[in-house]
Amino acid sequence: DAGVTQSPTHLIKTRGQQVTLRCSPKSGHDTVSWYQQALGQGPQFIFQYYEEEERQRGNFPDRFSGHQFPNYSSELNVNALLLGDSALYLCASSSPYRGSMNTEAFFGQGTRLTVV
Amino acid sequence: RKEVEQDPGPFNVPEGATVAFNCTYSNSASQSFFWYRQDCRKEPKLLMSVYSSGNEDGRFTAQLNRASQYISLLIRDSKLSDSATYLCVVNDRENFNKFYFGSGTKLNVKP
Repeated sequence: DAGVTQSPTHLIKTRGQQVTLRCSPKSGHDTVSWYQQALGQGPQFIFQYYEEEERQRGNFPDRFSGHQFPNYSSELNVNALLLGDSALYLCASSSPYRGSMNTEAFFGQGTRLTVV
Repeated sequence: RKEVEQDPGPFNVPEGATVAFNCTYSNSASQSFFWYRQDCRKEPKLLMSVYSSGNEDGRFTAQLNRASQYISLLIRDSKLSDSATYLCVVNDRENFNKFYFGSGTKLNVKP
């Protein structure tokens, strides 16, 4: 089981550019969530995808958008990059809640985005 | 008010010490609770789930107090390898399995 995989691992972009980050969920998981983690902070929820639709969204501007494909993999797109977008971007996969299962999230290794 | 609040630390303890972290959450509808461990510049990894009756995994003990909306993690006989940031995580299963993270508590175990 490959677990959650993200690409690329590191990325440097210039202000105003656009970036696409990719995530493949853990085998058997159909829900993908994206998080932004700034230095010294806990991960902040960006949005969640299930059945190829954005099901929930955190307090992030429309510059942050995403997509989920039929094979459950997902992309995070950020337009018009700002210096403040520099962070570790984490993808987490999980199963949807079913009954009393304590469903934990499994994280990819993250993409470290630096905006200069 | 943040959904999950933790003392950021750092907690600096000698090897062999016992250390406890606390976490409070604001949503009384929260239903699943976890502690994740995050090493520097790495992704968070599940340390343990937290059950209503409390649970233990080796040197680690987790407790949940729903009435006070409070979660704790106790680490006994600290090892150098326990040095990391510990994230308290709450899952709102009524809200499509959305996870809320605390900002983490940093632990430094010294020789």
